[in-house]
Amino acid sequence: KAGVTQTPRYLIKTRGQQVTLSCSPISGHRSVSWYQQTPGQGLQFLFEYFSETQRNKGNFPGRFSGRQFSNSRSEMNVSTLELGDSALYLCASSPDPGSNQPQHFGDGTRLSIL
Amino acid sequence: QQQVKQSPQSLIVQKGGISIINCAYENTAFDYFPWYQQFPGKGPALLIAIRPDVSEKKEGRFTISFNKSAKQFSLHIMDSQPGDSATYFCAASRGNTGKLIFGQGTTLQVKP
Repeated sequence: KAGVTQTPRYLIKTRGQQVTLSCSPISGHRSVSWYQQTPGQGLQFLFEYFSETQRNKGNFPGRFSGRQFSNSRSEMNVSTLELGDSALYLCASSPDPGSNQPQHFGDGTRLSIL
Repeated sequence: QQQVKQSPQSLIVQKGGISIINCAYENTAFDYFPWYQQFPGKGPALLIAIRPDVSEKKEGRFTISFNKSAKQFSLHIMDSQPGDSATYFCAASRGNTGKLIFGQGTTLQVKP
């Protein structure tokens, strides 16, 4: 089985721009979560999607948004980029939502803001 | 109450030794405790996980010990190898949410 696929792997943007990141979950996985990883804050939960619905949202500003499609693929969008948005953005998938479902991560998208 | 505290921040172990990483949590509603291993340039990989109704779980050289009353859990890596050198994260989640709360991570270096 192919793992979680995230595209692109690297992105360079400037302040004020917006960006869209893509995540394809493991085949058969219907739940997708997004995390931000930075050296200072570590791994922080952004949001969780299941059946095209956002089930949970972390403590991030409204500039961070996401969506899930009917094939379980997910995208996240960050608008009006700030320098502090530079981070590794990770997507994780699991068969279904819930804490009894192991989450498997992709290798992330490295976003750099100039 | 949502925090998971992990220690030590970094760890150096000789090849063949035992690596021990500890985590503590506050929220007694947490019911799932996974450990992840991350290599540079890669995403976290699920190593092993435990639920609070079990005090210990072993998979190969990796063992989780869980102390519900102390709200602590730890990862033991037996016979540590240089290939185990990576960053390790503990995490916790609860109920019907997949939201993982992560510890700050431990950078492990295993010296040959």
